[in-house]
Amino acid sequence: GAGVSQSPSNKVTEKGKDVELRCDPISGHTALYWYRQSLGQGLEFLIYFQGNSAPDKSGLPSDRFSAERTGGSVSTLTIQRTQQEDSAVYLCASSPRLAGAGGELFFGEGSRLTVL
Amino acid sequence: QQQVKQSPQSLIVQKGGISIINCAYENTAFDYFPWYQQFPGKGPALLIAIRPDVSEKKEGRFTISFNKSAKQFSLHIMDSQPGDSATYFCAASRGRALNFGKGTSLLVTP
Repeated sequence: GAGVSQSPSNKVTEKGKDVELRCDPISGHTALYWYRQSLGQGLEFLIYFQGNSAPDKSGLPSDRFSAERTGGSVSTLTIQRTQQEDSAVYLCASSPRLAGAGGELFFGEGSRLTVL
Repeated sequence: QQQVKQSPQSLIVQKGGISIINCAYENTAFDYFPWYQQFPGKGPALLIAIRPDVSEKKEGRFTISFNKSAKQFSLHIMDSQPGDSATYFCAASRGRALNFGKGTSLLVTP
């Protein structure tokens, strides 16, 4: 596809379960970002990957959150032992270069996570 | 710690009016300031961006005004239209991920 693809679009889970969210970036984009969007909280940076460099994990809120990017393409965000406060829309974005270098972020439509 | 503070949280403007959204930042190392627009159910999309070497940038009805000394920047939407109704996010960055404001929900009434 032409854009960033995220799956699932909606996920309802029970507290304590693990979830995996997938992101398929635009082909050729070297930078990949994960953000979390909660009501009234804007867009919260979680993690980003740039090429073959070590990812910047500084935004991950706890060690229950992890992400990987395989082969410089698809990325998976994993949340272990989910809590109700993890309920949010998780947005993935890709870019041909780092945001601060003027790289436009192309966002997917997000994965809405609801933890019961 | 919110690195970019955005106001107002919500805004209602009549069709044809001017919409103004303000942002302030703390980190003087930031050197890239974009605005993103988000429609319900969609991801944000880049609207317009500015670097601190200019004080204003205009693209169509959208203008960014930048005040480096005050560490503030704003988005002006001229001749606002109902189709402009969306959530707007300001952001700031230096070489890495974008730091976003909390967003402004804009409603343009017919």
